[in-house]
Amino acid sequence: GENVEQHPSTLSVQEGDSAVIKCTYSDSASNYFPWYKQELGKRPQLIIDIRSNVGEKKDQRIAVTLNKTAKHFSLHITETQPEDSAVYFCAAEDSSYKLIFGSGTRLLVRP
Amino acid sequence: DGGITQSPKYLFRKEGQNVTLSCEQNLNHDAMYWYRQDPGQGLRLIYYSQIVNDFQKGDIAEGYSVSREKKESFPLTVTSAQKNPTAFYLCASSSGFSGEAFFGQGTRLTVV
Repeated sequence: GENVEQHPSTLSVQEGDSAVIKCTYSDSASNYFPWYKQELGKRPQLIIDIRSNVGEKKDQRIAVTLNKTAKHFSLHITETQPEDSAVYFCAAEDSSYKLIFGSGTRLLVRP
Repeated sequence: DGGITQSPKYLFRKEGQNVTLSCEQNLNHDAMYWYRQDPGQGLRLIYYSQIVNDFQKGDIAEGYSVSREKKESFPLTVTSAQKNPTAFYLCASSSGFSGEAFFGQGTRLTVV
């Protein structure tokens, strides 16, 4: 079955710097890759997603890139702000249409 | 008010007891999921259902059971066979087939 690995587990950046979180997946049939943000004590919420027919997608300060050949995808946050501090999860939808999540990255943005 | 609702928010269980966690959605979603969240381990899939009266085991189904008798509801029972049930449980729903998953607010289960 699908296996998703996520790195790093924790990331600390200075406000205004960029943050990059990387994920790899194992199932070459996976075609949908969402990213979720979970603030402390709250439910995960979708922030951006990408499908296998595109290599990059951008939404303001957030971008996601996908390399299907290498089976990895990354989240890029530019001009980080303190409110970006949260746990971020990548996920891959396997051939059975179920979402398999990575282990999460705790991002801390220092003011 | 559309969304996905879990109840209760906090649940305490004595060892040896079964407990049922509720999950209801009014988004008309076909697919529903149960995840378990432990510190540092992300979201692990317990069970999922793509359609009424059908469900499949996820990666950590042992000690859990579910039912999907109605499209809106997907309750999870944590049985006494679950060795380490203390965790945060999240229910989610989606339209299926690469659709956004919406999460409930979670239930924190503690075994006392």
